[in-house]
Parts: sequence; structure tokens; C-alpha cells
Amino acid sequence: DSGVTQTPKHLITATGQRVTLRCSPRSGDLSVYWYQQSLDQGLQFLIQYYNGEERAKGNILERFSAQQFPDLHSELNLSSLELGDSALYFCASSSSRDSLGQFFGPGTRLTVL
Amino acid sequence: ILNVEQSPQSLHVQEGDSTNFTCSFPSSNFYALHWYRWETAKSPEALFVMTLNGDEKKKGRISATLNTKEGYSYLYIKGSQPEDSATYLCAVRGGGATNKLIFGTGTLLAVQP
Repeated sequence: DSGVTQTPKHLITATGQRVTLRCSPRSGDLSVYWYQQSLDQGLQFLIQYYNGEERAKGNILERFSAQQFPDLHSELNLSSLELGDSALYFCASSSSRDSLGQFFGPGTRLTVL
Repeated sequence: ILNVEQSPQSLHVQEGDSTNFTCSFPSSNFYALHWYRWETAKSPEALFVMTLNGDEKKKGRISATLNTKEGYSYLYIKGSQPEDSATYLCAVRGGGATNKLIFGTGTLLAVQP
């Protein structure tokens, strides 16, 4: 158990809908990262937050947004969903030192029908 | 653009065999390299974080080396066991204020008893 929690574990929805994925980092970690893993692709970095502020952006679509709240949990919002958005979405957290690497949550499996 | 490549894509070995995988990355703008182990239906688990040229890290039967001048890292598993079966991911962090990781597509290891 990495200490990072994600909900829900599975999500099935229809095209055009909007969903919210939630992540709680390890206790004390200020950084939260979101990754997407689609079929035949490696983990793709989406976005990073540090202590409530956006720190880095990767290949995140404009239909996707995220935020980190004062209690440090984060939410990833996916809107106008398309079939191609079906993927495993991971959240990870790290301490400011990063010497231990990033700790990954169990992921949310999103299926868009 | 940081491109991280791993080889081989997959590997099948017998129990007791020793094996190694390669992670290649651009040697410019390098900050750190992370190795992760990802078992099916679980989340990626951090193995090593390496930053210095010539770094060697070891955890049980697994070890890793880093050459930042030529842009590669090797992960070795000595005396593979069936429980070592997993995907081994390499990720590189470039310079800059973020801890953003760029992942390779991984090496899938299957150890036959």
C-alpha cells in the first residue's frame, strides 16, 4: 500500500459525459501528479500540482482540467468524453525531496462507451 | 523533447536465470532516473532513484547502474523468480523546477517456474 488513494476504482460512462476522478496523496506529500495509460501506450504525464498550484503540464487535453485543494487532495475532471479517453488514470504523490520517487495510487479505470 | 526508450519490450526467462534490461535517454538536460516495478492489477512501485553518473543501487536480487554521459541505465535481476514477473518501467526527470517524469513503455518480464 503506497498511501495514495484514488476513487473510484472503476468508472463506466458514455461519450459526451463528464467525470471527476479523486486522489488523496500520502500524508505530508505536497506534490500530486496525474498520469494516463491507454492501450499500447506508456504512462503519459498529464499535470502536476504542488501545494495547490499547478507546477507542470504535459499532454493534457483542453477538455481535461485538474485542481489541488487546501487539504492537498486533487481532482481530475474529464469532460466531453470520447471513446479514446478510455484508459487507466493514475495519481502519484511525492515529497519535496523526491529522492524516494513518486508513489502511485491504485488507479481509476475509465471506460467510455 | 525527452524520449525514453526501453528494451527489450518483453522477456521470457526460466526461474533461476539472471537477466537485464536497458533504458536509454538523451544525456542532455538529465536530472534523475527512476526505475519502477509494475505488477498486473497493482500500481507502479518505486525501486530506485538515481542521479549521479556511475550510480549503482541494489535491493535484494535487483540492481541498477546509471551512465548519464552516454544516456543509459541497466536494471539487473539475479536468479529470477516467478514473483519477479512484472513490467519494469524506467522514467527520467529532466532539469527544471518540476518533478515531471517521462516514462518509457516498459519491459515485460515473465519468469517461468
